Amino acid sequence: DVKVTQSSRYLVKRTGEKVFLECVQDMDHENMFWYRQDPGLGLRLIYFSYDVKMKEKGDIPEGYSVSREKKERFSLILESASTNQTSMYLCASRDTRNTGELFFGEGSRLTVL
Amino acid sequence: AQSVAQPEDQVNVAEGNPLTVKCTYSVSGNPYLFWYVQYPNRGLQFLLKYITGDNLVKGSYGFEAEFNKSQTSFHLKKPSALVSDSALYFCAVRDDSNSGGYQKVTFGTGTKLQVIP
Repeated sequence: DVKVTQSSRYLVKRTGEKVFLECVQDMDHENMFWYRQDPGLGLRLIYFSYDVKMKEKGDIPEGYSVSREKKERFSLILESASTNQTSMYLCASRDTRNTGELFFGEGSRLTVL
Repeated sequence: AQSVAQPEDQVNVAEGNPLTVKCTYSVSGNPYLFWYVQYPNRGLQFLLKYITGDNLVKGSYGFEAEFNKSQTSFHLKKPSALVSDSALYFCAVRDDSNSGGYQKVTFGTGTKLQVIP
């Protein structure tokens, strides 16, 4: 079975803290993505990576950064968490060799107090 | 710019009745269309996709979707709803006209399906 694993399902952080969200996929996919999901807004793309050490900004990159040092791992970093970053964060991966449905992790629900 | 619209925030249907969840899209090239389902506090799971070919696409859990190019729609359907189908459903589109680089996926805002026993 294909698998995308997000290391933390639930996190509670304080304003100003640095937050790391980790995502690992075992499918040898080139593309990896970070989305945030908010009620009424659907999924919005924060950052994506089409290969190791490659990254591109999505629609809402402000306040976030990413790291992809190895093909299987894509990390989302909140340098200084703010309350408006309270959200559900979803990691996904995609194989560019096929028609490319996304495979999602279980999500990380972040609350910033 | 590409976009997806899911006009209904919530759809209620009685168990055993047919269900339809609506989706319309806008792209400049040819669309790749997807449906995903999300159960509470879980990630999204892929249900089905349309790339080319037969306009009626069959997917997981008895779901199907019909691609209608003239109406730019891709509605999700199931002949007989189950209580366990209650979940959040997302339609998504990708434009195949960008052959190089990243092909952006745009998601709709989601439709909550409630199947009533």
